[in-house]
Amino acid sequence: GQQVMQIPQYQHVQEGEDFTTYCNSSTTLSNIQWYKQRPGGHPVFLIQLVKSGEVKKQKRLTFQFGEAKKNSSLHITATQTTDVGTYFCGKTSYDKVIFGPGTSLSVIP
Amino acid sequence: DVKVTQSSRYLVKRTGEKVFLECVQDMDHENMFWYRQDPGLGLRLIYFSYDVKMKEKGDIPEGYSVSREKKERFSLILESASTNQTSMYLCASSPGGPTEAFFGQGTRLTVV
Repeated sequence: GQQVMQIPQYQHVQEGEDFTTYCNSSTTLSNIQWYKQRPGGHPVFLIQLVKSGEVKKQKRLTFQFGEAKKNSSLHITATQTTDVGTYFCGKTSYDKVIFGPGTSLSVIP
Repeated sequence: DVKVTQSSRYLVKRTGEKVFLECVQDMDHENMFWYRQDPGLGLRLIYFSYDVKMKEKGDIPEGYSVSREKKERFSLILESASTNQTSMYLCASSPGGPTEAFFGQGTRLTVV
């Protein structure tokens, strides 16, 4: 299948530390989407990036799309316990969303 | 608000049974999806439907089939359930085009 890779698989941080997850593709992406899944919940859309080099912010979350449109990152500044969950990147291919394996974030209070 | 509703939150079935997982969306979305979620493997696409009676295989269609007789309803069928199909199944829908997907709450299926 079409692969979207994500690292790290797991990350444990102390509350207040920063966190970054990276998404990589071997092929050029038309866009990249990010989702968050809280423990016991379902994935919820966060954002979509379309343009090369695009940077978008949502409060403490910063999303970047690489210049070559083959990678993306999600950075959380000063994590809080409410940030706990799994973060997925996904690429769209003819209306289908193909997801990476996700990064599971734990925040230690 | 978009609502995607899956018929069951938890399901336990026996090996060899035929299993139906139902999903309904209320926003007149063109696209509907079935994903399977397993630890370390993320969300893997089983089947995708872009219109009534239209379907396309995803990355892991083996052992599954789907039905979309009405726009709002997308069913996942396990023809003969096996223990390796024990998993969390997530349905999603989206409007046409590369837009966000809205997920249901998931069905945790256990095959014994």
